[in-house]
Amino acid sequence: AQSVTQLGSHVSVSEGALVLLRCNYSSSVPPYLFWYVQYPNQGLQLLLKYTTGATLVKGINGFEAEFKKSETSFHLTKPSAHMSDAAEYFCAVSPPGAGSYQLTFGKGTKLSVIP
Amino acid sequence: DTAVSQTPKYLVTQMGNDKSIKCEQNLGHDTMYWYKQDSKKFLKIMFSYNNKELIINETVPNRFSPKSPDKAHLNLHINSLELGDSAVYFCASSQSGTSYEQYFGPGTRLTVT
Repeated sequence: AQSVTQLGSHVSVSEGALVLLRCNYSSSVPPYLFWYVQYPNQGLQLLLKYTTGATLVKGINGFEAEFKKSETSFHLTKPSAHMSDAAEYFCAVSPPGAGSYQLTFGKGTKLSVIP
Repeated sequence: DTAVSQTPKYLVTQMGNDKSIKCEQNLGHDTMYWYKQDSKKFLKIMFSYNNKELIINETVPNRFSPKSPDKAHLNLHINSLELGDSAVYFCASSQSGTSYEQYFGPGTRLTVT
């Protein structure tokens, strides 16, 4: 069984500061990994994903994440926070390979950006 | 063009009623999902259909019944609504044989009074 742990249910950063949202997973094999963002009263939007290949993944809106197998982590970063980044962020995992329809989400991290 | 759409966006109803939520995707995907997001923002999968066939059916009361008339539609019917059914319900779709990233609809906020 897979699980996802997001450290910190609420993270506050100043505008222009580094954003770091933490995600650790538990899986018997390296899974597919995703970060989604949810703005207030909206659906989820995919920020980035890791399946295979390069472990540093770049996504939309200046976000990136690095898959570290040894640490079973997939932390999300952005060098400089904008006010528009304030939202709920979800890390998710899926078993790799054909027939892998199951997406397991972490509990989410609410990002606040202080002007 | 909305990729994954849901209707209605808001649904307020009384306990004991029966209601349906509709979902449509125009991405040409072959897999669709229903998720429930509770008041603490926790997302949990309820059902998944691949090519109109049920492939994931999590522990959900049998008052919830999904129906997929075709690959582009997945509706959720709920019988005998209870207070605990109040949540935001998200529909999503993906294409098998790819990296399985899922595209989400805007959600339906169900309030049972």
